[in-house]
Amino acid sequence: GDSVTQMEGPVTLSEEAFLTINCTYTATGYPSLFWYVQYPGEGLQLLLKATKADDKGSNKGFEATYRKETTSFHLEKGSVQVSDSAVYFCALSEMDSSYKLIFGSGTRLLVRP
Amino acid sequence: NAGVTQTPKFQVLKTGQSMTLQCAQDMNHNSMYWYRQDPGMGLRLIYYSASEGTTDKGEVPNGYNVSRLNKREFSLRLESAAPSQTSVYFCASSRGGAWPNEAFFGQGTRLTVV
Repeated sequence: GDSVTQMEGPVTLSEEAFLTINCTYTATGYPSLFWYVQYPGEGLQLLLKATKADDKGSNKGFEATYRKETTSFHLEKGSVQVSDSAVYFCALSEMDSSYKLIFGSGTRLLVRP
Repeated sequence: NAGVTQTPKFQVLKTGQSMTLQCAQDMNHNSMYWYRQDPGMGLRLIYYSASEGTTDKGEVPNGYNVSRLNKREFSLRLESAAPSQTSVYFCASSRGGAWPNEAFFGQGTRLTVV
């Protein structure tokens, strides 16, 4: 079945460092891809999305590019801030009638001042 | 601008007790979902409803039942709670019927079964 694999955390960075969180997926079709963010004590919020190969999703300085050839959707940010500390989830939605959303296990990011 | 509303936010149950988690959305979404979140496991899909009148099992349905009461509401029932069901439960909704199928989440229900 469909699945999403993320790098294990926690990822600890100093403020203004470069961030990469790896995400790869397995899907039978041509899914849409998402990154969600969860701040402490809250639900998940959509961070960015991409729907086809080579699409780049971006929001709040974060970017991710849909790479069909490597089945990847890595999250990047050029300069992280303390306020970016959160758990980040990669997810896919298969383009079939189920509309199921499949999530990775999440990667905790801790940014130190 | 409520979005997805879950009740209750916190609950403690004794083993064997039953309870229903409520979820309502005001975005006129077709699809609704229940997930559980456990440390190191990410979000696992319990049940989902692709559209009003349909429900389907997800990855971890055992011990749960659901009801899609109408287009707005999707409840999750634990008939006989077990300690293994201690978790944070999230309800989500999405437009469905079109892509990208991005989801909107409630604030979660933290359930402890003792």
